[in-house]
Amino acid sequence: QTVVAQEPSLTVSPGGTVTLTCASSAGRVTSVNSPSWFQQKPGQAPRALIYSTNNRHSWTPARFSGSLVGDNAALTLSGVLADDEAEYFCLLYYSGTPVFGTGTAVTVL
Amino acid sequence: QVRLEQSGAELRRSGASVKLSCKTSGYTFTSYNMHWVRQVPGQGLEWMGFINPRFGGTFYAEKFQGRVTMTRDTSTSTLYMELASLTSEDTAVYYCAGGSDRHPPGFDYWGQGTLVTVSS
Repeated sequence: QTVVAQEPSLTVSPGGTVTLTCASSAGRVTSVNSPSWFQQKPGQAPRALIYSTNNRHSWTPARFSGSLVGDNAALTLSGVLADDEAEYFCLLYYSGTPVFGTGTAVTVL
Repeated sequence: QVRLEQSGAELRRSGASVKLSCKTSGYTFTSYNMHWVRQVPGQGLEWMGFINPRFGGTFYAEKFQGRVTMTRDTSTSTLYMELASLTSEDTAVYYCAGGSDRHPPGFDYWGQGTLVTVSS
């Protein structure tokens, strides 16, 4: 069973920048894993932010960007707003099977 | 716009089954593979499987094979997910998600979720 690991929690100041990572127990994350990112606020369903590594959905603010950094997928939040406080999940594909990451709770403080 | 409207909360006894629905609108129902994902309260997301609404073909996570059945009704643009032999560990919010023609199939749109509570 492949494990996709994320930082449990991160704190960022309003207006600041924070980078979340998504690491795979199966090795280096590449575009073949088609990394996606989701935001989830308490009591709500997840909302898609990024697909195929670095593509924003039409509703995704430009301050969210996806990339590959080192061996991991990454989500960078720039110019953070209080409204960005949420849980963030990544998702990686392995031979057609999607696996969600463990999630990162982002606190804006 | 794409909308996924899920059925209401369910309460079941251990050993029972539950069948959830996800009524779709705003797009051609047969265009996109659709997933089911669950989330135990306070925990992460767990992929259960997906269905191709056009042909009815399914692909289930190994963990749920033999216990989950995903179906669809093209006449009402509705997806269904039935989970059998429930235990307390199946207490979770269940989501339908999808709505992309990309490969691999994406999770662009999500239903509001259905809480399933299993009592022993």
